[in-house]
Amino acid sequence: QKEVEQNSGPLSVPEGAIASLNCTYSDRGSQSFFWYRQYSGKSPELIMSIYSNGDKEDGRFTAQLNKASQYVSLLIRDSQPSDSATYLCAVKSKNRDDKIIFGKGTRLHILP
Amino acid sequence: GAVVSQHPSWVICKSGTSVKIECRSLDFQATTMFWYRQFPKQSLMLMATSNEGSKATYEQGVEKDKFLINHASLTLSTLTVTSAHPEDSSFYICSAREKFGALYTEAFFGQGTRLTVV
Repeated sequence: QKEVEQNSGPLSVPEGAIASLNCTYSDRGSQSFFWYRQYSGKSPELIMSIYSNGDKEDGRFTAQLNKASQYVSLLIRDSQPSDSATYLCAVKSKNRDDKIIFGKGTRLHILP
Repeated sequence: GAVVSQHPSWVICKSGTSVKIECRSLDFQATTMFWYRQFPKQSLMLMATSNEGSKATYEQGVEKDKFLINHASLTLSTLTVTSAHPEDSSFYICSAREKFGALYTEAFFGQGTRLTVV
């Protein structure tokens, strides 16, 4: 089982709708969870970090964490064309010397 | 967020030559730096982890003699791709974080370096 799994997409969402991105992880010792956005040819940029079960909201973005299910998601409300990018889920675990392990990413395409 | 500067942003080199990539933390002390490689439409693959003043720890399958990492100061780490070949062409990205006691800050990424070996 891969350490961090994401659906590669592409996920197409109409402009103004909610985009839902999902991620599962295998290491139960994982403690920190991150969502990065990466535009083509660019370096990833941190969007959200979440450390405890539940929801965390920041503007149009909401991260959701369920440690029992080993599941983390990112919701993007009022999707904009500029949200079109690859979204990388990343997990940090003490079992991996606090390294950040990335999923393969989900390509999101917002349809104008 | 903190700023990590990576240089050069792109480089083209001849097969068999070596290329050095620099990664600098501009406004914080990078206790740990990570080096990633990303092939087109692939995820970031962690190559190695370096802590200031000690030898880098390489991930399985990454040749330490080919990818030389130096982290001599708290603000600078370098990755040297030795005897580069076309299959080494990729997007190389560094990230850095600072340690406070037993806690780490978030990891901040450099802009990446696109290496093309011809």
